[in-house]
Formats: sequence, C-alpha cells, structure tokens
Amino acid sequence: DTAVSQTPKYLVTQMGNDKSIKCEQNLGHDTMYWYKQDSKKFLKIMFSYNNKELIINETVPNRFSPKSPDKAHLNLHINSLELGDSAVYFCASSQGTSGGYEQFFGPGTRLTVL
Amino acid sequence: GDSVTQMEGPVTLSEEAFLTINCTYTATGYPSLFWYVQYPGEGLQLLLKATKADDKGSNKGFEATYRKETTSFHLEKGSVQVSDSAVYFCALSDRGGGFKTIFGAGTRLFVKA
Repeated sequence: DTAVSQTPKYLVTQMGNDKSIKCEQNLGHDTMYWYKQDSKKFLKIMFSYNNKELIINETVPNRFSPKSPDKAHLNLHINSLELGDSAVYFCASSQGTSGGYEQFFGPGTRLTVL
Repeated sequence: GDSVTQMEGPVTLSEEAFLTINCTYTATGYPSLFWYVQYPGEGLQLLLKATKADDKGSNKGFEATYRKETTSFHLEKGSVQVSDSAVYFCALSDRGGGFKTIFGAGTRLFVKA
C-alpha cells in the first residue's frame, strides 16, 4: 500500500549514458513533482505536473525531460548524464496546487554518475 | 521572490532537552507554512502545518505557531528523543509564488542518549 513509489532506489552509471527514473502514486492526486536533493540536503524543485500538464519547469538543463503518461505516473528521463547530476531525486504528489496541500514524497532515487 | 530561512545545523542535543529550530519567511501574499521531517534514507514527510496567522500546528509533541507580525514559524519540542534525529525542513506555499513550495535549507538534528 505504498503511497508514492520510485524505481530504481539506486542508480549507478557512467557519464554520457541516458537513464530513466519512474514514479507512481496511488493516492489519486492530481499533481506530481520532481525534486533534486544535493549532498548538503538542499531541495530544489525541477518540474511539476497537474493532470498531465506541465505547470512548473524550473531552470533545469534540457537533458532532463519529464513525462506524465497519466495522472498517477511521472517519469524522469535524463540524457547524457554528467558528474553534477549525482544527487538524490525525489518524486512527490499532492491533492492540488493551491497552497494548503501537503506533499507526499517517495523514498528517493540515489543517482551516482561515475 | 518568496524565500525561507532556517537556522543552520547541525543541532546536537541530549535526550529530553528542549528543541527550537528557527524559521523565518518572505512571501508576497499569505502563505501556508509547513514543517517536513526527513529521517535517514527516507523521503520527506509532513510533520505539521499552519494555513493562516496565529494558527498552531502540532504533531508528535512538536509544535509551531504562524506569526505573521514576525514572519516566523519556529519549530519547538519540549523533550526530544533519540528517534527525533533527522533533518527538518521549513517550507511555504504561496499563491503569489504560483503555489510552488519553497523549502528552507534544512536543519540536521542529532539527539544523544
């Protein structure tokens, strides 16, 4: 009965490779997010989708491309991986976009680029 | 733009000590305020929230009061336990910010037995 799940949990890859991270939520939420957390625990929003429509697209290299096939899924594809992409990536979801809704986070995907 | 500033860590306390983690914010409108907690190796989870001025959020012995006059939302707990060791994030969500949730930098808490 996991609320927000991500796969894989760990991802180790070489520079220049392309990889994907998958996220699914079973909470019936309309809005999903991708965050990047660096080694100092700083959390930065990357993207947000509401009903499969992109609503937040922060200053992120265009090597990063989110895809939302339906409301319950938001995947993140990364092309031409670089050393600086090493981080923990969190998927999250919320019931809506207005201010009072809490976000539910997945367990994270630790990406290591060698 | 909107921002959240919280005290730098790490904070190290002995079990049963009193905890305060300071958080102040800047926002164009009337934001909702949150505290999230991240235990080692896990994602963030909501600890408490407040949606309007003078509201007090509370959960698991933690509490925080939304102070509009001082733009603050300090987290407190009267007696910490070893199991409270985690990273704590203050956050806000504001209509003026497009409802993006802005997180503070996080404060790591270590509680010693």
